Amino acid sequence: SQQGEEDPQALSIQEGENATMNCSYKTSINNLQWYRQNSGRGLVHLILIRSNEREKHSGRLRVTLDTSKKSSSLLITASRAADTASYFCATDASFNKFYFGSGTKLNVKP
Amino acid sequence: GAGVSQSPSNKVTEKGKDVELRCDPISGHTALYWYRQSLGQGLEFLIYFQGNSAPDKSGLPSDRFSAERTGGSVSTLTIQRTQQEDSAVYLCASSFRRTDPGLNQPQHFGDGTRLSIL
Repeated sequence: SQQGEEDPQALSIQEGENATMNCSYKTSINNLQWYRQNSGRGLVHLILIRSNEREKHSGRLRVTLDTSKKSSSLLITASRAADTASYFCATDASFNKFYFGSGTKLNVKP
Repeated sequence: GAGVSQSPSNKVTEKGKDVELRCDPISGHTALYWYRQSLGQGLEFLIYFQGNSAPDKSGLPSDRFSAERTGGSVSTLTIQRTQQEDSAVYLCASSFRRTDPGLNQPQHFGDGTRLSIL
């Protein structure tokens, strides 16, 4: 499969702690995106990192990309209960298609 | 609202019936995607529309599945002779056209149609 795969599948932390999720993929990419999905809702775009970028920040989010290892990580700092959701990475291996992993289910306990 | 709208939000039907799922993309978005998400799983690409170009149907799982997009706006996903394995959430997303291969446009998702086949 060319899909990105997130790791861990589930993560439970206390409010205020940092959460790190990883994504691995198999083929070369142009860029990688992270999305968030609250229960029963659609996905919301969080951040996009290009293949020539190594790190990107957006508020409490920090994304890294290592194309040599075909992996990316999403760090959420100072987590809040409202961050509880599933997080997906999406890679593009061709012009039209995006491959989504199975997601990391994050639970932030208040 | 200005987001992607999907209807119905829930659909329960008997095995063997046909169903139609509708997606209203964001105005001005020329790209439209359909995905299927089984319980606790990631998204499975089904079909992609871009403007007036021929759609990329390579993700459709069988010939019981079809989709069309009228006037470059509203899209309908049709499943004929539904089977129990078709039960899933069907998500639609739209985006601006990608002109730079190195820069994807973020996809904007609707809240999906939860389809249950009895």
